[in-house]
Amino acid sequence: SQKIEQNSEALNIQEGKTATLTCNYTNYSPAYLQWYRQDPGRGPVFLLLIRENEKEKRKERLKVTFDTTLKQSLFHITASQPADSATYLCALFYGGSQGNLIFGKGTKLSVKP
Amino acid sequence: EAEVAQSPRYKITEKSQAVAFWCDPISGHATLYWYRQILGQGPELLVQFQDESVVDDSQLPKDRFSAERLKGVDSTLKIQPAELGDSAMYLCASSPDPPLAGTSRAKNIQYFGAGTRLSVL
Repeated sequence: SQKIEQNSEALNIQEGKTATLTCNYTNYSPAYLQWYRQDPGRGPVFLLLIRENEKEKRKERLKVTFDTTLKQSLFHITASQPADSATYLCALFYGGSQGNLIFGKGTKLSVKP
Repeated sequence: EAEVAQSPRYKITEKSQAVAFWCDPISGHATLYWYRQILGQGPELLVQFQDESVVDDSQLPKDRFSAERLKGVDSTLKIQPAELGDSAMYLCASSPDPPLAGTSRAKNIQYFGAGTRLSVL
């Protein structure tokens, strides 16, 4: 079965630095990959989507890369702020008739002032 | 901005009791999902609806869990009887995209509700 690994359970960085979160997967590549943000006690919120034929996507201070050779996606937050502190989930979407997302465990990011 | 509504936000029950969760998706979203999220884990799909039809319930423990979306709008997830291991966050999500893969335009962006935190004592 498909396995998703997010590099660490927790990441602590200083305000103003770039946070880099990793999502690795096994087996075959997904049709696309999504990143979500989840705050404590809340549901995930969609941030970015990147397709298998795309190398990079950007949205304001966020950047996602997708390397199908390495079976890896990197999620970057530049000029990080304490308000960026949350858990970030990657989710993979595969082919087939059912169209389900498979979520990783998430990485909890803490940005210290 | 339209949101997915879930109730209750919190539910405490004793094992062997019945519990029910309600979800009202964003208007016009035909696809509805129920997920279970254990603390420290990612959401895991329980059941997926397209309109009123179940598309995927392969991960739903059918001996105790049931889900319905009778009119293709709001949905109810029920657990009977509840067990200690059912303590988790139950999330509902909706999507404007049908569960079709293999198209260049498919995005399957899911909009989540705030969830119901279930504690089984």
